[in-house]
This record gives sequence, structure tokens and C-alpha cells, in this order.
Amino acid sequence: EPEVTQTPSHQVTQMGQEVILRCVPISNHLYFYWYRQILGQKVEFLVSFYNNEISEKSEIFDDQFSVERPDGSNFTLKIRSTKLEDSAMYFCALTGTGHGELFFGEGSRLTVL
Amino acid sequence: QKEVEQDPGPLSVPEGAIVSLNCTYSNSAFQYFMWYRQYSRKGPELLMYTYSSGNKEDGRFTAQVDKSSKYISLFIRDSQPSDSATYLCAAILIQGAQKLVFGQGTRLTINP
Repeated sequence: EPEVTQTPSHQVTQMGQEVILRCVPISNHLYFYWYRQILGQKVEFLVSFYNNEISEKSEIFDDQFSVERPDGSNFTLKIRSTKLEDSAMYFCALTGTGHGELFFGEGSRLTVL
Repeated sequence: QKEVEQDPGPLSVPEGAIVSLNCTYSNSAFQYFMWYRQYSRKGPELLMYTYSSGNKEDGRFTAQVDKSSKYISLFIRDSQPSDSATYLCAAILIQGAQKLVFGQGTRLTINP
């Protein structure tokens, strides 16, 4: 089972500020995913990232969002200008060996005031 | 129509009981089905993973998929207080690039 560390565990920010959430896999992975869970709601797919490119994104993942792998290991999710409705848990996920196996990090809780 | 539906509960049962958790889905193209366990303010933890119809057992947990009725079940035998958590079902298309579609989650409490 792949391990992934997410930072920060909790971030509080003012509306309109930029936020960067980080995901650090323990071993090398090519596929990364970001999911979001608004409090009390479903876990939702945001984006998949393969070989340094976005392979698929949801309608939630608009121009305010971006992903990159700046140094070949860390995987980041940037929200350019946060809105109140961006308050949620953001989960990084990695694939396992089986098709459909997806392992989640502990999440980063974002609170936008 | 929601793609994966799950009764949010809450569901409360005594320790030792058999727990049955269920989901329905609408997209007949879903091929893989997963159950995740999520503790409060933590990431989802993969419990069971099945392909197409049939049963899969792992210790006290049994996952069941009935594609004819688009029904997914998770059974927990000899339930323990440590099983108290929210259980999420999820489904994926075979070419979905791991784009999981989750149910709402069922909040389960096992009472000692």
C-alpha cells in the first residue's frame, strides 16, 4: 500500500488568497489524484495527473485550480483566489497495484474565512 | 439522477451484531467497486475492492456486488466498537483513470 503525506494538515486563509496544498509520496508514482470533501458531503474527484500532465479533470476543477509537480517528487494543488465554498478536506491519492485501487492521504483541511 | 446512492444513516448496532451496508448505482458501465472506511477528519481507507459481480471475503468483511440489480453491499461480522466509522462505497469505470464516484457514506456506530 503506497504511503502519502499531505501538508499542511489544516490551513486557514482569507477569501481571495492563494493556497498551495502539498502531497509527498513515499515512493515514486506516476499517477496522482486530488479529491475534495466538503463537510458532510461526498468525496468528489477533482483531477488526475499522469506523467506531469493533467489526464482528466472534473467540472469543479476550474481556472482557479492548478496542479503541478515542481521538483519531481512533491505534487501540489494550488487554488489561486480562494472562495468561501472552497472550504473542504482535500485528499491526495495514489494508485495501488490493482485497477481501481486508490489510496488516500490523511487530507489537508482548508478553511476559507 | 445520482450515480452512486447510499443511505447516510446514522446506523447504530450492538457489539457483535452483523452489519449490512448498502449502495445502489445507476451507471451500468461501472466495473470496479470499492468500500472505504473513514474516521472523523481522516482520509478514506480502502477496505475491500471487487471487480464485477460476486462476493469477496476478507476476515470479518464481505463485499457483495449484484450487477443485475446495481446493488453493492458490505457485511461486517462480529462487529467491534473500533468498526465505528463512516463507510463509503465507490465505483469506477474500467477506463476511468481511477476517477472514483463515491456514495454519501453511512455513519456506523457499534455500541459496546
